[in-house]
Amino acid sequence: DGGITQSPKYLFRKEGQNVTLSCEQNLNHDAMYWYRQDPGQGLRLIYYSQIVNDFQKGDIAEGYSVSREKKESFPLTVTSAQKNPTAFYLCASSIGDIPNYGYTFGSGTRLTVV
Amino acid sequence: GQSLEQPSEVTAVEGAIVQINCTYQTSGFYGLSWYQQHDGGAPTFLSYNALDGLEETGRFSSFLSRSDSYGYLLLQELQMKDSASYFCAVRDPRRDSNYQLIWGAGTKLIIKP
Repeated sequence: DGGITQSPKYLFRKEGQNVTLSCEQNLNHDAMYWYRQDPGQGLRLIYYSQIVNDFQKGDIAEGYSVSREKKESFPLTVTSAQKNPTAFYLCASSIGDIPNYGYTFGSGTRLTVV
Repeated sequence: GQSLEQPSEVTAVEGAIVQINCTYQTSGFYGLSWYQQHDGGAPTFLSYNALDGLEETGRFSSFLSRSDSYGYLLLQELQMKDSASYFCAVRDPRRDSNYQLIWGAGTKLIIKP
């Protein structure tokens, strides 16, 4: 079955460390996204990519970095510059710029700073 | 600014009907989407309305009134598995594509037996 796989499900980070969250999709979708979800808030866009080797900043890109070397993969690095990284991170993909089909989301990675 | 408002929590009884409202204040509008998210899980796409009126998909229906900047999600014959958070989302009108959405804070639906 096609879908999006995020790993790990839980991740603990020490202060000052960079960590990378994995996101892989086998849906053949062109567009991929990273969202951050905090309790009681809507999803906030970190980065998105419309095509391989291209990505754009979202509303809260500071302290994060991404790459899109393959269509299937869109890893997110949370750097030490992100001062409040504890959150639930969701990766999503879509069939380009067509809203009728919506986004397909992964099951998320819960990141905690220890 | 651009914003969407939803009630934070709605409670209903199993087997009943419930309506979850969403009002939006945006400088432009291209359509309203709804997603369901169970606790700790992935959001799943439910519906998209670009035009006024009611669209039905099984037990779920979604309504849009562009003149009132308002939409709702209607859930009928509620089942315990419908207990989840429901989010509305619109395209960010400041952007020139559907790649950037603005999301409501979500409505937690609590269903009692």
